[in-house]
Amino acid sequence: NAGVMQNPRHLVRRRGQEARLRCSPMKGHSHVYWYRQLPEEGLKFMVYLQKENIIDESGMPKERFSAEFPKEGPSILRIQQVVRGDSAAYFCASSPLKRGYEQFFGPGTRLTVL
Amino acid sequence: GESVGLHLPTLSVQEGDNSIINCAYSNSASDYFIWYKQESGKGPQFIIDIRSNMDKRQGQRVTVLLNKTVKHLSLQIAATQPGDSAVYFCAENVYGGSQGNLIFGKGTKLSVKP
Repeated sequence: NAGVMQNPRHLVRRRGQEARLRCSPMKGHSHVYWYRQLPEEGLKFMVYLQKENIIDESGMPKERFSAEFPKEGPSILRIQQVVRGDSAAYFCASSPLKRGYEQFFGPGTRLTVL
Repeated sequence: GESVGLHLPTLSVQEGDNSIINCAYSNSASDYFIWYKQESGKGPQFIIDIRSNMDKRQGQRVTVLLNKTVKHLSLQIAATQPGDSAVYFCAENVYGGSQGNLIFGKGTKLSVKP
């Protein structure tokens, strides 16, 4: 059973470009969470999704950031018009049940904004 | 072993000694707690969890203690090995709440000296 997969593992963008981060949850998991981690800090919750639904986006910036989890395909975290402050590691986690217990994390996407 | 105060960022122990990593949580309503291990360049890896109706839970070489009175969580690692070197995060979740996200602590970097 493959774990949570994320791609790309590393992403370099120039200021003003768009970044698309993908997450495929573990087989059988229908709940996906996105977290952001700055260097030397803990993970900060961004958004929680089920298939075709955003359940909680209280941790996501109001502008430039969006997330989706379509019926088919991976979950996508999209950052428009990236700025240097968006440089971070973005982790996706999945769980088979809601309420977040036993979340399994992917390897992360490290975004660098030049 | 070495007991550290809360929120200290680093802990250095000798190989074979026991390690104790501490964490304070903030939400009295949190009823589920997890310890994660994060190695450099990787995603968090589940170590052990505990629900609030328990005070202690043991795994392989690891023990988690929960003190709800002072909202304190600790992770004990027996016979620490070089492979245990990593950053350790505690995370809390309000099981049964509407939100699925985990709230992470700042993390403690464990270094094991051979």
